[in-house]
Amino acid sequence: AQTVTQSQPEMSVQEAETVTLSCTYDTSENNYYLFWYKQPPSRQMILVIRQEAYKQQNATENRFSVNFQKAAKSFSLKISDSQLGDTAMYFCAFMIEVNAGKSTFGDGTTLTVKP
Amino acid sequence: DGGITQSPKYLFRKEGQNVTLSCEQNLNHDAMYWYRQDPGQGLRLIYYSQIVNDFQKGDIAEGYSVSREKKESFPLTVTSAQKNPTAFYLCASSIGAGPYNEQFFGPGTRLTVL
Repeated sequence: AQTVTQSQPEMSVQEAETVTLSCTYDTSENNYYLFWYKQPPSRQMILVIRQEAYKQQNATENRFSVNFQKAAKSFSLKISDSQLGDTAMYFCAFMIEVNAGKSTFGDGTTLTVKP
Repeated sequence: DGGITQSPKYLFRKEGQNVTLSCEQNLNHDAMYWYRQDPGQGLRLIYYSQIVNDFQKGDIAEGYSVSREKKESFPLTVTSAQKNPTAFYLCASSIGAGPYNEQFFGPGTRLTVL
């Protein structure tokens, strides 16, 4: 069975600073994708960033980047220059390629950006 | 505007009643999904459909049923067999079911069973 663990239930960061959210996962598969989703107080879930397991280069999307360590099964999200609008719950998720459509989510990290 | 709509936003039902949650998309996506979210937890997959007239069980399908008669619609019925139906329900869609296709989410329906 695949599992995703987010060990930090809550985190806070000062505006303009950098914060890193942790995620570890467990799978015996080789071909899979990893995701970070953001759920703001409005509850509207949106995709932040995606990483293909076969790619060694870490994905980046503007202020968001990941540190993907395949051997350690670790997939952390770094948010640079934090903004008040980054306040949200962040979920790590993954999907193995042979089970297209079936995502496994972690329990989330609530991030608060303080002014 | 293209997007996913879920209705209603809040739904109250008495214990023992079946209830159907609506999900409609006008993105021309083939794949659609239903997730359940409980407080302090991530999303859990209830059912998903990769194409019209076909759907598969997710991790927590017991007590739920779906249909996919039209490409744009994927209603979820919460039956009386679901032991603890009070939760937040999210619908999503993607071009295809593969992991390289981004899932787009609706605004959700909060179901409370009294």
